[in-house]
Amino acid sequence: GQNIDQPTEMTATEGAIVQINCTYQTSGFNGLFWYQQHAGEAPTFLSYNVLDGLEEKGRFSSFLSRSKGYSYLLLKELQMKDSASYLCAVRIYDYKLSFGAGTTVTVRA
Amino acid sequence: GAVVSQHPSRVICKSGTSVKIECRSLDFQATTMFWYRQFPKQSLMLMATSNEGSKATYEQGVEKDKFLINHASLTLSTLTVTSAHPEDSSFYICSASSKQQGGEKLFFGSGTQLSVL
Repeated sequence: GQNIDQPTEMTATEGAIVQINCTYQTSGFNGLFWYQQHAGEAPTFLSYNVLDGLEEKGRFSSFLSRSKGYSYLLLKELQMKDSASYLCAVRIYDYKLSFGAGTTVTVRA
Repeated sequence: GAVVSQHPSRVICKSGTSVKIECRSLDFQATTMFWYRQFPKQSLMLMATSNEGSKATYEQGVEKDKFLINHASLTLSTLTVTSAHPEDSSFYICSASSKQQGGEKLFFGSGTQLSVL
């Protein structure tokens, strides 16, 4: 089976930084995705890491260490609209993805 | 960018009836589509992989006779929930892969909220 672990919930203040960790043990690995999902909506793509290191996209950054089976998503300058669920997903092969349970981030004023 | 259209967005049906959900890739050809199910406050669980012109590959524990998948063309895959029961009430999402300049990408439909009474 596939094991993808991430915290269930996190709370932070508007303007702050939050880091969401994801550890994985999977039968295959062809990259790791982070998605944002608001309740009742489909996930939207945030980032994709296939090599070790940090990928930065505006206020969002994602890091990968394949040897450690570890990734994190960093959200900077938090805004109220960033309150959502963040999903870590490992690409097992082709485009078969295995998702973590998601981390619900609540941004407070 | 690529768009995946999923219909209906919400459906309420009586127990024992069948419900069909459509997933269309609007501006690209998708040789592979995926169907996920998501229960409240849980993550997406892959149900099956749908390949154009061939039988779908179902994940362990997913009943292929209950969740019928048809991928008759490169732009359309359908999921039919047969003899639906209240426990089938869930959020169903499709996704499609698209080969683009810069690599292959995955796009999600907007999801279908199924409520079985």
